[in-house]
Amino acid sequence: QSALTQPASVSGSPGQSITISCTGTSSDVGRYNYVSWYQQHPGKAPKLMIYDVSNRPSGASDRFTGSKSGNTASLTISGLQAEDEADYYCGSYTSSSTGVFGTGTKVTVL
Amino acid sequence: EVQLVESGGGLVKPGGSIRLSCAASGFTFSNAGMTWVRQAPGKGLEWVGRIKTKADGGTTDYAAPVKGRFTISRDDSKNTLYLQMDSLTTEDTAVYYCTTRLTLGHSKTQYWGQGTLVTVSS
Repeated sequence: QSALTQPASVSGSPGQSITISCTGTSSDVGRYNYVSWYQQHPGKAPKLMIYDVSNRPSGASDRFTGSKSGNTASLTISGLQAEDEADYYCGSYTSSSTGVFGTGTKVTVL
Repeated sequence: EVQLVESGGGLVKPGGSIRLSCAASGFTFSNAGMTWVRQAPGKGLEWVGRIKTKADGGTTDYAAPVKGRFTISRDDSKNTLYLQMDSLTTEDTAVYYCTTRLTLGHSKTQYWGQGTLVTVSS
């Protein structure tokens, strides 16, 4: 099972919106609505930001929005803030009954 | 308060074995599927494997790189998850996290431990 493909880096200015893509295959992202997004600050454990493609956990900021089209999922961060600077990973369930993560995207707030 | 606390990490030689533990509290452990995720130094997250609840059969699934070498088990009487790691290689050097996703009302959230570092080196 190969890692899902994400851009290595995305940047934006405070207040702007950015979108991170996550491309898989018809055996994972395209097959199931079980895509999640995680935020990870340096030295910290990941934090769930989106689950089941577009659902936000309680307490997660509504500036984070998830979507999916075909084999590609996306995470949009609106109203970018300095605290959003972190690494972001997508994850999906697969047809092998395993999980798979994306390659990770470093978000920089300019 | 939900807590997951990993332990057992350390330095091990190539070809050696180590067992990690994850002590859970603050939720009904026996009702929760549990997952191990690892992160090599400076690298991304990698899904390692998971174990279902006994009610769901208690079955396990593993990522290809660890299948046949790693074994996940659980002791619901001790609220503890385990990861037995055998035939270790330098590629297994990573921080290992245990994690679980719980349903709270109409929403879900995911809890993670602080991670434990396993270093495979001669």
